[in-house]
Amino acid sequence: NAGVTQTPKFQVLKTGQSMTLQCAQDMNHNSMYWYRQDPGMGLRLIYYSASEGTTDKGEVPNGYNVSRLNKREFSLRLESAAPSQTSVYFCASSKGGPQPQHFGDGTRLSIL
Amino acid sequence: KQEVTQIPAALSVPEGENLVLNCSFTDSAIYNLQWFRQDPGKGLTSLLLIQSSQREQTSGRLNASLDKSSGRSTLYIAASQPGDSATYLCAVDGSSNTGKLIFGQGTTLQVKP
Repeated sequence: NAGVTQTPKFQVLKTGQSMTLQCAQDMNHNSMYWYRQDPGMGLRLIYYSASEGTTDKGEVPNGYNVSRLNKREFSLRLESAAPSQTSVYFCASSKGGPQPQHFGDGTRLSIL
Repeated sequence: KQEVTQIPAALSVPEGENLVLNCSFTDSAIYNLQWFRQDPGKGLTSLLLIQSSQREQTSGRLNASLDKSSGRSTLYIAASQPGDSATYLCAVDGSSNTGKLIFGQGTTLQVKP
């Protein structure tokens, strides 16, 4: 039972490079989320998708774009990476509404 | 703006002790509150979810309570074990039940054998 799968697990980028973080869930969940976790800041929501075909901004969306490719997949794109985007990125999914969120193991991203 | 605070940031207890972790939030207009556990280098695992209309939820040795009017939640862990060592985070959903969670910074628990 895979749950929420994130790829890659680690990545090092140079400032200005672009990349896409992938997330897939196999629980038939409607809602998916992207968070970043930084020391001293806790987890903050970047973007979320309440259902297939919809996306909306969270608390810290600047510098990111997302795509809800289908019900299973929700990707996060950094168009021009900046050192301030060095973080651990978590994808989560839920049935929607007042349901527990299930998290992946994260992508550790360093931008030099 | 909703703010979630967890105090203390770290806690160390001997095995077998009962303990309470605290979570406070500034805006009482929440739809639910969730408690998570995070092990080093891993993602979050959902422990308990309390709806705004509920006062508490229990799962095994864990009991979470919610007092919306005072903006507080507690996570009670009975008979702690070394395997309970982890970071515990609380999060509130205050945005029309969309799952847009606001997290506290967590309490790192160490249970010593």
